[in-house]
Amino acid sequence: QVTLKESGPVLVKPTETLTLTCTVSGFSLSNTRMGVSWIRQPPGKALEWLAHIFSNGETSYSTSLRSKLTISRASSKSRVVLTMTNMDPVDTATYFCARTYDYLTAFDYWGQGTLITVSS
Amino acid sequence: EIVLTQSPGTLSLSPGERATLSCRASQSVGYLAWYQQKPGQAPRLLFSGPSNRATGIPDRFGGSGSGTDFTLTISRLEPEDFAVYYCQQFGSSPWTFGQGTKVEIK
Repeated sequence: QVTLKESGPVLVKPTETLTLTCTVSGFSLSNTRMGVSWIRQPPGKALEWLAHIFSNGETSYSTSLRSKLTISRASSKSRVVLTMTNMDPVDTATYFCARTYDYLTAFDYWGQGTLITVSS
Repeated sequence: EIVLTQSPGTLSLSPGERATLSCRASQSVGYLAWYQQKPGQAPRLLFSGPSNRATGIPDRFGGSGSGTDFTLTISRLEPEDFAVYYCQQFGSSPWTFGQGTKVEIK
């Protein structure tokens, strides 16, 4: 059974760095063509793709947020980490991680999401 | 960056009616997906590719289109179909989503 689960702080102060972890099970990122993305959704607004990491370690980022984001895999290969620097209240959103099954495929499994609030 | 524009923003229909949702891209898109999202839930994949229905998706959902114009059709709305629908292109980085179409009960 494929599952993804996001974890991280509920509240972050402005200018701080956010670190989110996506823990996956039911598949491996280490020896397949699968990948994991981070996607966010401000309250009442649309989805916004942030970053992706492929099974070979290659990464891809949102053009507008590239300078704030780093996506990586933890040594266990079952965790994908997103760091976002210099957090601002406009970054308040639900953050989802989601899987792609192969290159050039859509997001077939999603985590439940975690709401991150940026406030002093 | 490819911009996806969905229309209409809101579609007010009754159960049993047909829904037609549009997604227009700012340039030609090689790969397009559709998702359904209900309040408080993660999006659910409907189509990976304009007409490739995902596993478990009822055949009342239909997808079509190519190039810059894509359509999601729900032939007869069931109560559980009232939700927000997003298109997403994944052929050209950065990947992008449309702003969504809300299908609400009239």
